[in-house]
Amino acid sequence: GAVVSQHPSRVICKSGTSVKIECRSLDFQATTMFWYRQFPKQSLMLMATSNEGSKATYEQGVEKDKFLINHASLTLSTLTVTSAHPEDSSFYICSATDVGGMSSYNEQFFGPGTRLTVL
Amino acid sequence: DAKTTQPTSMDCAEGRAANLPCNHSTISGNEYVYWYRQIHSQGPQYIIHGLKNNETNEMASLIITEDRKSSTLILPHATLRDTAVYYCIVRVASSGNTPLVFGKGTRLSVIA
Repeated sequence: GAVVSQHPSRVICKSGTSVKIECRSLDFQATTMFWYRQFPKQSLMLMATSNEGSKATYEQGVEKDKFLINHASLTLSTLTVTSAHPEDSSFYICSATDVGGMSSYNEQFFGPGTRLTVL
Repeated sequence: DAKTTQPTSMDCAEGRAANLPCNHSTISGNEYVYWYRQIHSQGPQYIIHGLKNNETNEMASLIITEDRKSSTLILPHATLRDTAVYYCIVRVASSGNTPLVFGKGTRLSVIA
């Protein structure tokens, strides 16, 4: 299947700093990518939909000014956690759909996740 | 909101078949059943999907009831590496720009 990468895999930062997480589709183009957040022992919660060349769509309760999303190319979306606080510590996961792939079923492929710890 | 219900947890002996049920009684005619799994601290991994016919691939088999209101994922010979949280999701297949909505899933523990 298609490959989605994330960088970094884990990051530790001080409270008040900003952290950027990259999500790349390595062997396909993705006009849409999705960002999820997962707290310990909980399921994945959708944060936002990232659209190439346009503004992201955020889920209810997710602050767009705190979680900045940029989808500048068909293979890269970035999530920046601004002024991070300990409550932002979580596992952040991106996904993308290979709409141009051989399969007509549009499977979503997920990145390996980024574990953010804010001290 | 997730449109599926799954048992919270299940155990399975190594080498035996793991049968994971999923209820999706409100599934629409154009919605597929997808299964993903998430091994600890990793991103979800696609397993299999189906519309109404039973499906099989190298990872698993998917059995969908005739009324499509429930399904079962079968791992024929579970190994310790199959220990993970398994998510059953219904979604319109053509909606590549629609995100997957995850429920709580089933935590499968494969025991030696």
